[in-house]
Amino acid sequence: EPEVTQTPSHQVTQMGQEVILRCVPISNHLYFYWYRQILGQKVEFLVSFYNNEISEKSEIFDDQFSVERPDGSNFTLKIRSTKLEDSAMYFCASSEQGAFGYTFGSGTRLTVV
Amino acid sequence: SQQGEEDPQALSIQEGENATMNCSYKTSINNLQWYRQNSGRGLVHLILIRSNEREKHSGRLRVTLDTSKKSSSLLITASRAADTASYFCATDGRKAAGNKLTFGGGTRVLVKP
Repeated sequence: EPEVTQTPSHQVTQMGQEVILRCVPISNHLYFYWYRQILGQKVEFLVSFYNNEISEKSEIFDDQFSVERPDGSNFTLKIRSTKLEDSAMYFCASSEQGAFGYTFGSGTRLTVV
Repeated sequence: SQQGEEDPQALSIQEGENATMNCSYKTSINNLQWYRQNSGRGLVHLILIRSNEREKHSGRLRVTLDTSKKSSSLLITASRAADTASYFCATDGRKAAGNKLTFGGGTRVLVKP
């Protein structure tokens, strides 16, 4: 069964450093997303991406965050200068049309120290 | 406003018993989905119910949707120890431009052998 692949599974970074989280969505999907889940809390929407541009973003997704689809397969989330409160599990997802076929990756656990 | 709030927050049952959890939401939706998350792991899609559907079955899962009450329920029949996980509902709002999902806080289910 097709899956969304995320790398790395764990990342530890120093506060103030830049991190790039990588995702390979399902190949025929058109919509791409990033979500995060702070430990013990609910899953929160960060950003959606369609047709090579951001279609919606949340208040969390401030200037420190950016997304990119550098080639036909990868979808990345960059955090420019990490803060302690960015520590969370980050999930990438893709869908074929709207909410149908929504598939999440297994996540990247980011720890900022 | 909160969207997709589950109750109870935690549920402990014996293997073989049924587990029922509820989700309430506030705005109009296109679809409602249920996900399972094992501790510290990724989100696994369980079932999607469209706004014009009232009930849906998948194996041991039964989902109902009452759009007049803006609520949904997930029933797991004949539970197994492997069903121990957190269960989240997620709504896809009609006004959402980017097909974002809004998650509830989840129900932690413990199935005791």
